This record gives sequence, C-alpha cells and structure tokens, in this order.
Amino acid sequence: AQSVAQPEDQVNVAEGNPLTVKCTYSVSGNPYLFWYVQYPNRGLQFLLKYITGDNLVKGSYGFEAEFNKSQTSFHLKKPSALVSDSALYFCAVRDARSDYKLSFGAGTTVTVRA
Amino acid sequence: DAGITQSPRHKVTETGTPVTLRCHQTENHRYMYWYRQDPGHGLRLIHYSYGVKDTDKGEVSDGYSVSRSKTEDFLLTLESATSSQTSVYFCAISESMGSSGNTIYFGEGSWLTVV
Repeated sequence: AQSVAQPEDQVNVAEGNPLTVKCTYSVSGNPYLFWYVQYPNRGLQFLLKYITGDNLVKGSYGFEAEFNKSQTSFHLKKPSALVSDSALYFCAVRDARSDYKLSFGAGTTVTVRA
Repeated sequence: DAGITQSPRHKVTETGTPVTLRCHQTENHRYMYWYRQDPGHGLRLIHYSYGVKDTDKGEVSDGYSVSRSKTEDFLLTLESATSSQTSVYFCAISESMGSSGNTIYFGEGSWLTVV
C-alpha cells in the first residue's frame, strides 16, 4: 500500500518570507514523488518530481523540494513567497514498482499575504 | 500546457440520468486517466487506459464506465448519476506508466453537479 500525508490543511505566510509545505509518504519500494499546484477553478499543474539522484529537486516558479529517505518526507519550499503563490498544493507518490497508481495527499492551501 | 480538452466544463444533471464526460488529447500519449477531486480526499483514480480499447479500474470505479475507441479520446460515463458523484472530474495523460516516473499532466476539469 502507498499513501501520502500533508499534515497541514492551511499554511499562511507573509510575502517575502520562506514558504514550506510539508509532505510525508509511505510506500513499499522506492518512491517517485511529485508536487502539483492548483489555482482556483483550474487543473493541476506539475511543479517538480523526484525520481532518483540528487535529493534536492528544483522545479517551476522558484520552488524546490528535498527528498529525505530516512524521514520519508518530501517537503516543498520556496525561499521568498509571492502573493501569486497562493493556491492549493498537492503531494503525490508512486511506488517505483507500480504500473499506474499515483496516490495524492489531501492538499494544503497556501495563502500568502501582502 | 498539455494539450488536454475536457467537455463539458460544467454540467448540472438530475439523479438517475446518464452523463458522459469527454477528454480529448493532442499529445498522442498512450495513457489516459480519469480522476475525481473531493475536499479532504485529494484526487482519486476512477479508471485508466493503457491503449485503444484497453482500460482498467482505479480505486473508486463503482458507478462509472469508460471507453477509448481512439488514442486521443477517453470517455467517462456515469450510467445513472447519484448525488455522491457530484464532484470535479479531471482527465490526465502520460506517455508511459512504468519505471520511468513519467509525469502525469492534467486537464482543466469538469464540474458535475447531480441534483
């Protein structure tokens, strides 16, 4: 079985401050990890993914995420948040041995105040 | 943006009526998926397709059927809509599903309300 937990329903930060969105996962084998962002009334947009290699992954719009195998975490980070980063963020995991199943967390709503 | 078009984008229907949602892709990707999004649940896979006429069930497939007669089109049908199927439905595509970690790309969503 595989699962994803996003422990915070909401994250509020001031513009210019660092932003962190937390994600922990559970898989039997090696994980493939993804972050997506969803703006109101829109589809999910791919931000970044970890497959193998460097634990620090850089993605779109200045976001990055760090894979930590010992803590089974894949937290999303941005050094300086923008008001336009306000959105719903989803973490997803797939077992490398799985042929299709991508499991999503429940999502974290990020609000960046000016 | 991935070339995925969903139709209709918004629909209100009555309980017991059949509903078909259409997904059209221009990327020639082999794999297509239907997800539903509900508050507190993230996205859950309904059905997926790994080729023309090749489909399989996801984790929440009860009450849904799919068909794929062409590479570019993937239809989701609610045979007899129920209020529990009120949701946002997303179509998604990917080039492959295997060990490559291929990224899944999503359409803009179809908002379905069953009254």
